[in-house]
Amino acid sequence: QKEVEQDPGPLSVPEGAIVSLNCTYSNSAFQYFMWYRQYSRKGPELLMYTYSSGNKEDGRFTAQVDKSSKYISLFIRDSQPSDSATYLCAMSPPARGSNYKLTFGKGTLLTVNP
Amino acid sequence: EPEVTQTPSHQVTQMGQEVILRCVPISNHLYFYWYRQILGQKVEFLVSFYNNEISEKSEIFDDQFSVERPDGSNFTLKIRSTKLEDSAMYFCASSERQAVLRGYTFGSGTRLTVV
Repeated sequence: QKEVEQDPGPLSVPEGAIVSLNCTYSNSAFQYFMWYRQYSRKGPELLMYTYSSGNKEDGRFTAQVDKSSKYISLFIRDSQPSDSATYLCAMSPPARGSNYKLTFGKGTLLTVNP
Repeated sequence: EPEVTQTPSHQVTQMGQEVILRCVPISNHLYFYWYRQILGQKVEFLVSFYNNEISEKSEIFDDQFSVERPDGSNFTLKIRSTKLEDSAMYFCASSERQAVLRGYTFGSGTRLTVV
């Protein structure tokens, strides 16, 4: 079983739709969970991070973590064409020193159509 | 907003040649990382670096790879004898001591093509 699994899509939605992106993981050592957005030919850009089960909201974005099911989600409300990008989930065990080694999902390609 | 700068954006090299990928981390950051992404695959951790030494490295980071912080601003990844399978996007990242995960910032990457 892969450490982090993410449906690669592609996912195409109309503008204004609610988008749900998901990842599952198998490594119980993962304690920190991140969502990154990656535009074509650019590096990953941090959207949200959390370390506890439950929901965390930031504007139109909500990150959800269920450690008992080893399942994380990112919800995007009122999606915009500018949200079109690849969304990567990433996870980390507690740091060794203060170095965090991130394990990424494969990414989901999202297109929001005007 | 501060950013991690990587050069060159694209490098083509012949198999067996040495390449050096360069990164300028954010100035007050103390932890430095290299990741790579082979086309169509996941972003993978290569190495982390702190206080002028490697903190952790992955199985990918074998003897052909080395990292260096030659001065106070640059952070480099060297591949001694490139192979075709080294073709990938290489991302540098840096983070600060405080709020390490929130400040984990990636550069735009160097696309390495080995021919």
